[in-house]
Formats: sequence, structure tokens, C-alpha cells
Amino acid sequence: DTEVTQTPKHLVMGMTNKKSLKCEQHMGHRAMYWYKQKAKKPPELMFVYSYEKLSINESVPSRFSPECPNSSLLNLHLHALQPEDSALYLCASSQLQGVPTYEQYFGPGTRLTVT
Amino acid sequence: DAKTTQPTSMDCAEGRAANLPCNHSTISGNEYVYWYRQIHSQGPQYIIHGLKNNETNEMASLIITEDRKSSTLILPHATLRDTAVYYCIVRDQTGANNLFFGTGTRLTVIP
Repeated sequence: DTEVTQTPKHLVMGMTNKKSLKCEQHMGHRAMYWYKQKAKKPPELMFVYSYEKLSINESVPSRFSPECPNSSLLNLHLHALQPEDSALYLCASSQLQGVPTYEQYFGPGTRLTVT
Repeated sequence: DAKTTQPTSMDCAEGRAANLPCNHSTISGNEYVYWYRQIHSQGPQYIIHGLKNNETNEMASLIITEDRKSSTLILPHATLRDTAVYYCIVRDQTGANNLFFGTGTRLTVIP
């Protein structure tokens, strides 16, 4: 099983809402990632978790709050977002972080619209 | 991470080989060349990677020049399903070794 799943597929939320994105993998990978992709732009790294601990935060605003409850799950909690946060949010995993021979497997993404 | 330069877009006739170039003239000796593609509205998909030698797998071949300053991804028999944005990325062996995507090449396979 080389699949990374993400739910929901689409999400529309108001600026005062609180919502969460969920990502799951069962490949035994110990590194998990969140990326943000605006329309017609390449994906941009947001967060990296290694062994369930936050390893990298690429200066992401605090209205985005990641959580890794166990080695298979990665959440992204959203609160007080702005319309410019509308994007495709991608989750990825790899066997380990920091090893260049391990590729990342990406989920299909959650398309988020903030109204 | 070393920067990469790719053409913005390319067309390829269905059934023909698609050759996608990538320039990485500032690559250092310990940096791998990775290729991913992203079909419209899907997550990126790993294709292939290499360090010095040419590589081949079931999806594609990767040709790296001897000086490692450029590479070419070859899809031997392009199909309509290969229409996507193709990203060439270099990753080093040290540090966090994360993926930093450039703007990529939009490949359109024409019937």
C-alpha cells in the first residue's frame, strides 16, 4: 500500500470557522509533510514532522496548527483563515526525513476555499 | 538547494518520446536530481531520481550529463495520460533534505 489519503477532498469555510484537515498513511513512514499550493504555482513546504515531532516550520502563520497524533496520522488545524489562504493543501510522507534517496509520496490534496 | 531551470511548456505527439530538459548548473557533488510530475488537480507523483549515473524505471529514463550540470527526463512513448507539469528538483545529502519545487515544465501530449 503506497497510498496517502487526505480528507476532506474539498472544504469551504468562513473566516471565523475552525476546521481540520486530515492525512493518513500506512506505509510505516516516519516523516510527514504539509504543503500549500496556490493556483498555477508549485507546492510550497509548510511543516515537516519526523518521528511525530515537529521538525520544520517554514514560517507559517499561527492560524495554521499542525498535529501528529501518531505515526500514521497528520492533522492541520485551521482557525481564523483569510481568503488568501484558499489553496490546495497537500500531505506527503517519506520513510525518513533527511535522506535524499527516499522519495515522498503525496496525497491527492484538500482544496480549501475561505469565504 | 541548487536551483533548476526548465522550459515553461512543451508539446509532444502521442506515441513519441518526450524529452524534458533541466538545467542545474550549480549542483554540487552530493545533490541528487529528482523528477516529480503533477497531473491536473492531483498530488505530485514521484517519477525517478539519480546522482551521477543514468537511471531507468518503468515510468521513465533519466539521463544526467557527465558534468552533472543538466539532465533530461525521457518518457519513451508518451500517452495522453502523461500530460502534466513536470518538476525537476535537486536534493542534497545533508540537512533537512526537503523538496523545494521550481516552476516546472507543462507537458502537453497531443493526439
